[in-house]
Amino acid sequence: AQSVSQHNHHVILSEAASLELGCNYSYGGTVNLFWYVQYPGQHLQLLLKYFSGDPLVKGIKGFEAEFIKSKFSFNLRKPSVQWSDTAEYFCAVNEETSGTYKYIFGTGTRLKVLA
Amino acid sequence: DTGVSQDPRHKITKRGQNVTFRCDPISEHNRLYWYRQTLGQGPEFLTYFQNEAQLEKSRLLSDRFSAERPKGSFSTLEIQRTEQGDSAMYLCASTRPLTLGQGLGGSGNTIYFGEGSWLTVV
Repeated sequence: AQSVSQHNHHVILSEAASLELGCNYSYGGTVNLFWYVQYPGQHLQLLLKYFSGDPLVKGIKGFEAEFIKSKFSFNLRKPSVQWSDTAEYFCAVNEETSGTYKYIFGTGTRLKVLA
Repeated sequence: DTGVSQDPRHKITKRGQNVTFRCDPISEHNRLYWYRQTLGQGPEFLTYFQNEAQLEKSRLLSDRFSAERPKGSFSTLEIQRTEQGDSAMYLCASTRPLTLGQGLGGSGNTIYFGEGSWLTVV
């Protein structure tokens, strides 16, 4: 069955530190990949997405992610985090060719940035 | 876009009671999803609709759960004979129809989430 793994459940960083959150998926076919963010008290919002083309995608608020097909990974990065990045981050995958339209989410990574 | 709207935002109910949640998707979005999220977990897929047709249901969706989207616009999720294990956030999301040039599976669209409906079963 299709699955998404996020290995870092809790991350604590100081402001200006660099961030990398891991995401691996299990499906071997063509996939679409997403990172969503949930700020405290708010709904899930899209950070960035990959459908095709350049495997390095840039999103909002200085975030980027790299799709590495051979590693089944789509890690999220930010060179310098801010206190306002404190949130929960979810990786999601959607299969392209299986005929299903569902989106599968990882368990999330809770990021706390210390001022 | 006015966003995905969910109602009620919070519901406390006694075990054994029935509850119903409503979701109004973004206008003209033809696909509508229901997810469940508990603390420390990511959203878990429950079911989705394309227009009024319910195309897939998760094994998580027991017989006590039923979802409808009668006119292809708003949707309802009903939980009958609630149990304490049903306590969770119920999320609704929607996405727009495919446009020319999108992937074969039609899966390349972003889904937009509502703010969720918190259910507490006591």
